[in-house]
Amino acid sequence: GQNIDQPTEMTATEGAIVQINCTYQTSGFNGLFWYQQHAGEAPTFLSYNVLDGLEEKGRFSSFLSRSKGYSYLLLKELQMKDSASYLCAVRDSNYQLIWGAGTKLIIKP
Amino acid sequence: NAGVTQTPKFRVLKTGQSMTLLCAQDMNHEYMYWYRQDPGMGLRLIHYSVGEGTTAKGEVPDGYNVSRLKKQNFLLGLESAAPSQTSVYFCASSYEGAVQPQHFGDGTRLSIL
Repeated sequence: GQNIDQPTEMTATEGAIVQINCTYQTSGFNGLFWYQQHAGEAPTFLSYNVLDGLEEKGRFSSFLSRSKGYSYLLLKELQMKDSASYLCAVRDSNYQLIWGAGTKLIIKP
Repeated sequence: NAGVTQTPKFRVLKTGQSMTLLCAQDMNHEYMYWYRQDPGMGLRLIHYSVGEGTTAKGEVPDGYNVSRLKKQNFLLGLESAAPSQTSVYFCASSYEGAVQPQHFGDGTRLSIL
């Protein structure tokens, strides 16, 4: 079967750095996406990785290791508005997105 | 910029009733998707479409039907609602291509009593 694993919940302090991990087992791999979802709102696209390595976008970075079936999302200089769920999704061999259940990130002042 | 618009935003149904959820996008995207999101679970694909006039089943299609008569619209129908279909439904659209991200509507919160 196909599986995406993420921690259910994480807590971090405003101004700090947090790393959200995602491990996957899918039938094929055609890219990995990270989305942000605030409570009661739609998911919004954050980043895309298809090759191994780090992709940086301002305060957010995403890393991929295809051989390990592993990715992480790194959030720096945390702000209160970063409190949200972060969803990891992998595009499989049929080009369908398989979604993790999401990691709820709580930022404390 | 409207993006992806879902109608209605909230709805309460009784078991056995039928209804249609409407999704409209103004980005000229080829691909459109219907997902359901339940607590503690990832988004699950119900049906999708790769172009006007085409539809295909996703991971959890039972109890739902879809139509894509116009490129900009994707309709999701529940013929006979069941309590297990209580969920938040999201529509998404994207350009063709593996690297293209999906753009989501704000969701429809549906309760079946």
